[in-house]
Amino acid sequence: NAGVTQTPKFQVLKTGQSMTLQCAQDMNHNSMYWYRQDPGMGLRLIYYSASEGTTDKGEVPNGYNVSRLNKREFSLRLESAAPSQTSVYFCASSQGSGAYNEQFFGPGTRLTVL
Amino acid sequence: KQEVTQIPAALSVPEGENLVLNCSFTDSAIYNLQWFRQDPGKGLTSLLLIQSSQREQTSGRLNASLDKSSGRSTLYIAASQPGDSATYLCAVSPNTGNQFYFGTGTSLTVIP
Repeated sequence: NAGVTQTPKFQVLKTGQSMTLQCAQDMNHNSMYWYRQDPGMGLRLIYYSASEGTTDKGEVPNGYNVSRLNKREFSLRLESAAPSQTSVYFCASSQGSGAYNEQFFGPGTRLTVL
Repeated sequence: KQEVTQIPAALSVPEGENLVLNCSFTDSAIYNLQWFRQDPGKGLTSLLLIQSSQREQTSGRLNASLDKSSGRSTLYIAASQPGDSATYLCAVSPNTGNQFYFGTGTSLTVIP
């Protein structure tokens, strides 16, 4: 099992460019998440998908869109990148919600916006 | 909104010492609390998950406790080793919605 995989690992964009970060999990999990991690801020939830076909905003959704393509895949799109979106982006998945909701993380995408 | 705090932000100990990392949260209405380890430039690795009905969980040299009423969790690491050097993060899952709230972590250095 690969667990949670993310592509690309690194990316440099210019302001205004767009890109899509890809995430896939092979654990048959229902829920998937996108976080960003910034120094001194901890991890903050951007969007999540509680189940296939549903998506919801997290704490910091502005400037991002998501697509839950199927049960395995959850993508994050930056339509017009800004320097403030320079960050490390993590995808995570979990079986569902509630007391047994253990999260598993991918290796991250390091994004720099110039 | 749930606030999660981890103090201290950094900790340095000699090899072999037992140590405790702290996590506090403001809202006791949680489903569970999860401890993670993050190595520099890497993703998060799950260490322990404590459900709200449990008081502690153990895995090898790690023991995590949960006191919901006081909004605290501790991660106890026994006989620390240089390989334990990493950042340790805690996250709480509130019992409404699917959001998780993370602390900013404690950076641990174990000196040989």
